Amino acid sequence: EPEVTQTPSHQVTQMGQEVILRCVPISNHLYFYWYRQILGQKVEFLVSFYNNEISEKSEIFDDQFSVERPDGSNFTLKIRSTKLEDSAMYFCASSELKAYSGNTIYFGEGSWLTVV
Amino acid sequence: DQQVKQNSPSLSVQEGRISILNCDYTNSMFDYFLWYKKYPAEGPTFLISISSIKDKNEDGRFTVFLNKSAKHLSLHIVPSQPGDSAVYFCAASAGYGNKLVFGAGTILRVKS
Repeated sequence: EPEVTQTPSHQVTQMGQEVILRCVPISNHLYFYWYRQILGQKVEFLVSFYNNEISEKSEIFDDQFSVERPDGSNFTLKIRSTKLEDSAMYFCASSELKAYSGNTIYFGEGSWLTVV
Repeated sequence: DQQVKQNSPSLSVQEGRISILNCDYTNSMFDYFLWYKKYPAEGPTFLISISSIKDKNEDGRFTVFLNKSAKHLSLHIVPSQPGDSAVYFCAASAGYGNKLVFGAGTILRVKS
């Protein structure tokens, strides 16, 4: 069964450092997303991406965050200068159609980011 | 953001019995609802979904019911199995965007 894959599974970084989280969405999917879950909290939407541009972003997704699809398979989330409060599990996801159209979003296993 | 609420933090059920997980929402624009199962340190796994034009959708042991007038949906698992023990998240999306809004989750424990 096709799946969303993410690397790294766990990363520890110093505050102020740049981090790049990588994802390979399901191959025939066109919509890509990043969500995060801070320990003990809800899964929160960060950003959605379609046709090589951001289609929607949350208030969490400030100027420190960026996304990119550098080639035909990878989708990355960059945090330029990490803060302690960025420590969370980051989930990449993908779907064939927009969620409101009734299609389903499939999630990767997550990248656990710890900022120290 | 309290648009999707799962008011029961946990539920304990005996193996073989029915598990009923509940979810309430406030945003009338939501038109698609999903249930995900999640284990610690893993990503959410899609279980079942329902469109707002339906009131029931069934897939094997899993059935989702939607009551639009009450803005309430529920997930029924029959019969419950120990492997069903996990955190269950309700999520919803609206026609004006494509993000999912998640509830806080309900921990289901199925005892053998």
